[in-house]
Amino acid sequence: DQQVKQNSPSLSVQEGRISILNCDYTNSMFDYFLWYKKYPAEGPTFLISISSIKDKNEDGRFTVFLNKSAKHLSLHIVPSQPGDSAVYFCAATTSGNTGKLIFGQGTTLQVKP
Amino acid sequence: NAGVMQNPRHLVRRRGQEARLRCSPMKGHSHVYWYRQLPEEGLKFMVYLQKENIIDESGMPKERFSAEFPKEGPSILRIQQVVRGDSAAYFCASSAGGGSYYEQYFGPGTRLTVT
Repeated sequence: DQQVKQNSPSLSVQEGRISILNCDYTNSMFDYFLWYKKYPAEGPTFLISISSIKDKNEDGRFTVFLNKSAKHLSLHIVPSQPGDSAVYFCAATTSGNTGKLIFGQGTTLQVKP
Repeated sequence: NAGVMQNPRHLVRRRGQEARLRCSPMKGHSHVYWYRQLPEEGLKFMVYLQKENIIDESGMPKERFSAEFPKEGPSILRIQQVVRGDSAAYFCASSAGGGSYYEQYFGPGTRLTVT
């Protein structure tokens, strides 16, 4: 039962362009969403998050959009840089729960110079 | 301020042996989460512990796996009688709890290989 899905295993973009990573979820109880970035042989690093009371959160080059009716969120990276090349995971949780994160399968982003 | 530390980084065990994975949370964090990442998959929650207490073990396999977070020392994930299917990367995360329980900081992981 995959409650959080990232349907694109990989994405390739040119340096300077926008990268858009997508994530869908099925559990309507989720009310907090996070994006993590992971390099090979390292642990995930927190990037940005959004509460379900918002539909957008921005932090520098990173913006997360949440569409609750569609149960969809996306991460926009503008402009993309070669150092952004990594695996990106979206995760979801329910406030008041134990805090366990439910992760998607990940999308490998490659930013070409 | 040191981050989350995990050791060993790599662990090779033969089938039937025991594996012990250690996690030291960030300073000031008393909440520890363990996740497992199988090849080509995302991270899957295993267990959530606070000092001396298991709070949520809904993701733990019912047999051979156990976890603890003693009053003193690191959190330990123990796998008895390992099988090939246990080969994976095991990540520990810690948080300060309270209103920021979802802000979890991950360690570098332990890569377990069962031969």
